Amino acid sequence: DIQMTQSPSSLSASVGDRVTITCRASQSVYNYLAWYQQKPGKVPLLLIYAASTLQSGVPSRFSATGSGTDFTLTISSLQPEDVATYYCQKYNSAPRTFGQGTKVDI
Amino acid sequence: QVQLMQSGAEVKKPGASVTVSCKASGYTFTSFDINWVRQAPGQGLEWVGWMNPNSGKTISAQHFQGRLTMTRNTSINTAYLDLSSLKSDDTAVYFCTRGTPPRVHWGLGTLVTVSS
Repeated sequence: DIQMTQSPSSLSASVGDRVTITCRASQSVYNYLAWYQQKPGKVPLLLIYAASTLQSGVPSRFSATGSGTDFTLTISSLQPEDVATYYCQKYNSAPRTFGQGTKVDI
Repeated sequence: QVQLMQSGAEVKKPGASVTVSCKASGYTFTSFDINWVRQAPGQGLEWVGWMNPNSGKTISAQHFQGRLTMTRNTSINTAYLDLSSLKSDDTAVYFCTRGTPPRVHWGLGTLVTVSS
């Protein structure tokens, strides 16, 4: 099975900072890569699909790049409401493995 | 609108079985796959399994080793997850999800607690 590895596992940044999270697949997942944001006690929210396409309604400070095995999620200017855990997920085929998550704090 | 209504919280003893249901509405049930995802307390998201509601075909995460069964009843637009031989580390919120990004929807989750 393809493994998904995120880094870092946690980070702390200031409001207005640029934040970058990476996700690496052990084999190519082409562009079948999604990013989710999850706040405590809440259902995960889809931010990005197809590796770089912003889901409707998601603020434009979120962006993502990558294909194949290496992917990046960027928050261009961190806001207080962005405090959450972020997950990548491959969805080209089962198992639809998640990365282990990156906890973002301010 | 699309809704996935999950069954209520369960408390089970080790070795028992649990069934979690996921009733779909607002779309054609057989047109989108169902995935199950779980999240142990304070832990990350773990993909559990996939089902094609049209054919009934399923794929489970390997480490469940035959303890996991996914079924559906198309007459009532409901998917089921059955987990047997429960262990304490099966304690988690179990989510059903519909479809593939961007047309993915999540249920609100069902807390399954395994405790003696």
